[in-house]
Amino acid sequence: EDQVTQSPEALRLQEGESSSLNCSYTVSGLRGLFWYRQDPGKGPEFLFTLYSAGEEKEKERLKATLTKKESFLHITAPKPEDSATYLCAVQAIIQGAQKLVFGQGTRLTINP
Amino acid sequence: DGGITQSPKYLFRKEGQNVTLSCEQNLNHDAMYWYRQDPGQGLRLIYYSQIVNDFQKGDIAEGYSVSREKKESFPLTVTSAQKNPTAFYLCASSLTQGAIGYTFGSGTRLTVV
Repeated sequence: EDQVTQSPEALRLQEGESSSLNCSYTVSGLRGLFWYRQDPGKGPEFLFTLYSAGEEKEKERLKATLTKKESFLHITAPKPEDSATYLCAVQAIIQGAQKLVFGQGTRLTINP
Repeated sequence: DGGITQSPKYLFRKEGQNVTLSCEQNLNHDAMYWYRQDPGQGLRLIYYSQIVNDFQKGDIAEGYSVSREKKESFPLTVTSAQKNPTAFYLCASSLTQGAIGYTFGSGTRLTVV
């Protein structure tokens, strides 16, 4: 079964305490892996797209990496404004159609 | 600025009522999607449309209906047959159905009262 699993479900860090979020997937025909940020009551905001194993992308304090079975979102020296839910999604061919399959998200809280 | 507009932001439904959620985009995208988001769960696909006058069921289409009469608009109706409609609903679009990357609206929170 095509599946995307994120861990941990929730993570609480102190400001400046670096960590990583995990996204593991079991889909065939992967066309892309996406990371989104979602603030409460708002729609997901695009962060990164990764296409192939070994690829890395960075934006400010965030860095996303991709292997054949999982992706990591590394957060370096986070600030309180980085608090949000981070969603991982994979775009793949499922039952003959292109679909975007989401993980359940990691709720990140950065304490000042 | 191009984007997706969802309205209303909050919607309350009485038991047995049908309600319609609006989604409009000015990105000139062919494909549009409706997702449902529940606490602690990922986004689940309700319906999608690859082109005007065409739409397909997603993973949880029961109790929902859609139309795609215009390229810019993809309204979602939550019918009385949907037994647990309280959720956050997100509309998205992409250039084509196979295009990489979606743009999301800001969502509608539906509550049954």
